[in-house]
Amino acid sequence: DAGVIQSPRHEVTEMGQEVTLRCKPISGHNSLFWYRQTMMRGLELLIYFNNNVPIDDSGMPEDRFSAKMPNASFSTLKIQPSEPRDSAVYFCASSSPGQREEAFFGQGTRLTVV
Amino acid sequence: GESVGLHLPTLSVQEGDNSIINCAYSNSASDYFIWYKQESGKGPQFIIDIRSNMDKRQGQRVTVLLNKTVKHLSLQIAATQPGDSAVYFCAETRGSARQLTFGSGTQLTVLP
Repeated sequence: DAGVIQSPRHEVTEMGQEVTLRCKPISGHNSLFWYRQTMMRGLELLIYFNNNVPIDDSGMPEDRFSAKMPNASFSTLKIQPSEPRDSAVYFCASSSPGQREEAFFGQGTRLTVV
Repeated sequence: GESVGLHLPTLSVQEGDNSIINCAYSNSASDYFIWYKQESGKGPQFIIDIRSNMDKRQGQRVTVLLNKTVKHLSLQIAATQPGDSAVYFCAETRGSARQLTFGSGTQLTVLP
């Protein structure tokens, strides 16, 4: 398996524009997580899906952020409108059903909002 | 509030020495802990995990120790190599929750 695949790897956009980040989890994994990483706040959980259903979105900063998981192999994180303070590295991770909860991370999307 | 924190933000060790990275957690209900390694420009990578019913677990060159009495976790790396230079995070979860809460990370630098 190629692991968790995120796209794009880098995104530079202007303030006010819509940004869509994409994630393909590892096949067979039924939990998917979106994390945001910044120097100031470290790794923060934004939202977590289990079997394509959002379970915990308490980490989503505000209404400008939305996430979907239309099927088991694809998820999106959308920011509309984007702001400079959204600049961060966004990671998607997935984990398999069962006792172990280790999450496998993608390479991340580095978002810069200017 | 609930938190997972690290004692030291940076650690420098000589190549070949052993490294010890520490982590404190505050929630006594935490029952599963993971150490991740993050190299520059990459996502966190699983190193080793431990459940709260254990106090020690060993992997290849790495050992995790868990002291539930003082809510402390440590990662020991034997014979540290240049490739071990990275940021190391501890993470925890509890019960049926599958999402991980991460600590702030320790930057490990291996000196030649």
